[in-house]
Amino acid sequence: DVKVTQSSRYLVKRTGEKVFLECVQDMDHENMFWYRQDPGLGLRLIYFSYDVKMKEKGDIPEGYSVSREKKERFSLILESASTNQTSMYLCASIQGGISYNSPLHFGNGTRLTVT
Amino acid sequence: AQSVSQHNHHVILSEAASLELGCNYSYGGTVNLFWYVQYPGQHLQLLLKYFSGDPLVKGIKGFEAEFIKSKFSFNLRKPSVQWSDTAEYFCAALPGGSYIPTFGRGTSLIVHP
Repeated sequence: DVKVTQSSRYLVKRTGEKVFLECVQDMDHENMFWYRQDPGLGLRLIYFSYDVKMKEKGDIPEGYSVSREKKERFSLILESASTNQTSMYLCASIQGGISYNSPLHFGNGTRLTVT
Repeated sequence: AQSVSQHNHHVILSEAASLELGCNYSYGGTVNLFWYVQYPGQHLQLLLKYFSGDPLVKGIKGFEAEFIKSKFSFNLRKPSVQWSDTAEYFCAALPGGSYIPTFGRGTSLIVHP
């Protein structure tokens, strides 16, 4: 069974801090995603990566960056945390390829509070 | 822009009531469709999916969804809900050949015992 692991379940940071959210998947998936989940707004895509060292902006990339140095690991970075980045962050992965037909696999989420 | 609309944001039902959650998507071509569920305190998990074939798809826990291409819809149904179905439900659409799904805003379902 696919496992997507996010390193922290809860995180509290101060405004201006640099924050790293880590995500690891164990199924050799090409594609990985970072979403944020807010009440009434659903899931919004921040960044995604379709290969090592490759990244693309999603719908709300401002204030975030990502890193994918290894296939199994996809990191989300908040360069200077702000209170409006308080949210639930979800990592997901998916098998790619032309005959793709599999669903997203999600991690348990990291609830980040910026004070 | 591609979009997924969930028309019911909050639904409150009593146990044994029937459920139907609406989902509409805006893609014109081939599309893969999903319903995900997030139980309180748990991660998002797949409820059911449609890729091709029979437009009536059955998922886990007695849920089903019907793909109606002419209406661009993929509504989720359950004939008799249980208290344990209390959760947030997300519809998602994936255009054929893409690997970036678009999610709806979610529907919060509360089932009273």
